Amino acid sequence: DTAVSQTPKYLVTQMGNDKSIKCEQNLGHDTMYWYKQDSKKFLKIMFSYNNKELIINETVPNRFSPKSPDKAHLNLHINSLELGDSAVYFCASSYYDRVGGYTFGSGTRLTVV
Amino acid sequence: KQEVTQIPAALSVPEGENLVLNCSFTDSAIYNLQWFRQDPGKGLTSLLLIQSSQREQTSGRLNASLDKSSGRSTLYIAASQPGDSATYLCAVDSSNTGKLIFGQGTTLQVKP
Repeated sequence: DTAVSQTPKYLVTQMGNDKSIKCEQNLGHDTMYWYKQDSKKFLKIMFSYNNKELIINETVPNRFSPKSPDKAHLNLHINSLELGDSAVYFCASSYYDRVGGYTFGSGTRLTVV
Repeated sequence: KQEVTQIPAALSVPEGENLVLNCSFTDSAIYNLQWFRQDPGKGLTSLLLIQSSQREQTSGRLNASLDKSSGRSTLYIAASQPGDSATYLCAVDSSNTGKLIFGQGTTLQVKP
């Protein structure tokens, strides 16, 4: 299936831990994104990578570090997790010119306890 | 700064009704506008994509329109069904930033 896939789907962890979320797309897109959906269901962009290069970096704590080993993968590493990091994180991809719109993954629900 | 607003926040209709969801945006310099559907606990499913040069797009019972000059888009759902119950999100791709800016969504309930 052509898609954007994220792992894990659910992540429960204690405060202070470090965790990673992985994302892969097989759509041939060259740009990938991380979005965060908060408890009020509002979606906001965090990062964007084009061909492994960071092009959008919103005001996100530097505990969040994205890494793109190639244009088909974009991982999100979070250090020293805090309660406020609990949210659903969505990966998305598109072509750089966004002609075909965006395709989103199914999300990773992160719960920090 | 682009802001996207969706009205109403929630809507409950009986099965079979035609309905309209509204989306407004503050900056008309958009690249495209995309409507998504989100089921509870699930990801985003793309419904319709309207390029800035287009006025509308149709897919089955769904029709989305775009009026850039007034900063508005509507999603029309014909003959609603209980399976249409979900949250509908409008997202604007602003030309200058390459960011997808989302509205807060409209949660639709279609009662049998």
